[in-house]
Amino acid sequence: SYELTQPPSVSVAPGQTATLTCGGSNIGIKSVHWYQQRPGQAPVLVVYDDSDRPSGIPERFSGSNSGHTATLTISRVEAGDEAHYYCHVWDTVGVVFGGGTKLTVL
Amino acid sequence: QVQLQESGPGLVKASETLSLTCTVSGVSIHDYYWNWVRQTPGKGLESIGYIHHSGTSNYNPSLRSRVTISLDTSKSQVSLKLTSVTAADTAVYYCAKNSAYNVADSFDVWGQGTMVAVSS
Repeated sequence: SYELTQPPSVSVAPGQTATLTCGGSNIGIKSVHWYQQRPGQAPVLVVYDDSDRPSGIPERFSGSNSGHTATLTISRVEAGDEAHYYCHVWDTVGVVFGGGTKLTVL
Repeated sequence: QVQLQESGPGLVKASETLSLTCTVSGVSIHDYYWNWVRQTPGKGLESIGYIHHSGTSNYNPSLRSRVTISLDTSKSQVSLKLTSVTAADTAVYYCAKNSAYNVADSFDVWGQGTMVAVSS
């Protein structure tokens, strides 16, 4: 089965840049989607198809995907960005989620 | 505005069947893939499976023997049945809509989720 690997936690100071990774075998050939989930809330799509943003998502959120790693970058991090972030791809076995990264804003 | 609303019992006895319904509004249920995703307390997201009105469906291999997802187009509802539940099935259950017409598309709309606890 296809697996996605995310670091359990990332910490960043306000105003700095957060880099969240999602590793998978040849993930660069897949479309990667990213979700933000705040405590007690449903996930929210923040980046789709590697690097596109849904309407209403700030430009501070950006994505890239190449080789074996997809990356979600959050620029000028704010306190409100503190949340769990999950990557998602579709594989022949079905939908796959990464284990999630907890972003802590110091 | 597209909205998804999950409903069903919040408590299910072990060995029985968990049944949930997701009511879709604001969009035709014929046009997209519909997904069920669950999240055990303090853990990450787990795909349960998806369905399309064409008949295409797919289930998580770890749950395949116990899961059925179906569509009721007349009621605009997506249903989930999970048999022989155990405590490990205690989770928040979400339904989610694909953003476009491809199975690999993102999930652009999620329900608010419904918590289901399994009692012994």
